[in-house]
Amino acid sequence: GQSLEQPSEVTAVEGAIVQINCTYQTSGFYGLSWYQQHDGGAPTFLSYNALDGLEETGRFSSFLSRSDSYGYLLLQELQMKDSASYFCAVLDTGRRALTFGSGTRLQVQP
Amino acid sequence: AAGVIQSPRHLIKEKRETATLKCYPIPRHDTVYWYQQGPGQDPQFLISFYEKMQSDKGSIPDRFSAQQFSDYHSELNMSSLELGDSALYFCASSRTEGLETQYFGPGTRLLVL
Repeated sequence: GQSLEQPSEVTAVEGAIVQINCTYQTSGFYGLSWYQQHDGGAPTFLSYNALDGLEETGRFSSFLSRSDSYGYLLLQELQMKDSASYFCAVLDTGRRALTFGSGTRLQVQP
Repeated sequence: AAGVIQSPRHLIKEKRETATLKCYPIPRHDTVYWYQQGPGQDPQFLISFYEKMQSDKGSIPDRFSAQQFSDYHSELNMSSLELGDSALYFCASSRTEGLETQYFGPGTRLLVL
């Protein structure tokens, strides 16, 4: 089976930097994805790491360490619109399906 | 760019009734997924289709069934509805070469009374 752990809530102020961690246990592993979901909205793909290291996409970066079964999403220059839930996710081994973590609710304050 | 389309957006049903949710994936995406998301929960995988054939099943109740048609649209059929079926139902689509990058539709909010 697959399990992913991430903090339930994070609070930060506008302009700050926040890191959302994700640890995973999987029977097989292809890579780690991150999705953003605003209240009442659909999950939106943010990034994917198949290899160790840092991937940067604008204000968002994602990191993966396969040896530590660990990754994180880094959000810089936080804006109010970044207030949302962020999910890490892995592809199920041998299946066309994603298993999501429980999600981290990010609240950005003025 | 075209996105995943779902209908209806909102649905209210009584217990023991039947509901049908529809999904139109992004053109040229060969895989369609259905997820269920309860309040404050993460999306739970229900079922997926690859090239119109059922690919994988997750935590889909026996009361639910799904299929994908020749035009690639998919339908999730839910019978004998229970109060606990109240949730957001998302359809997503992807290409085989990018299964980790799934594009989600806006969802159908189902309320069972």
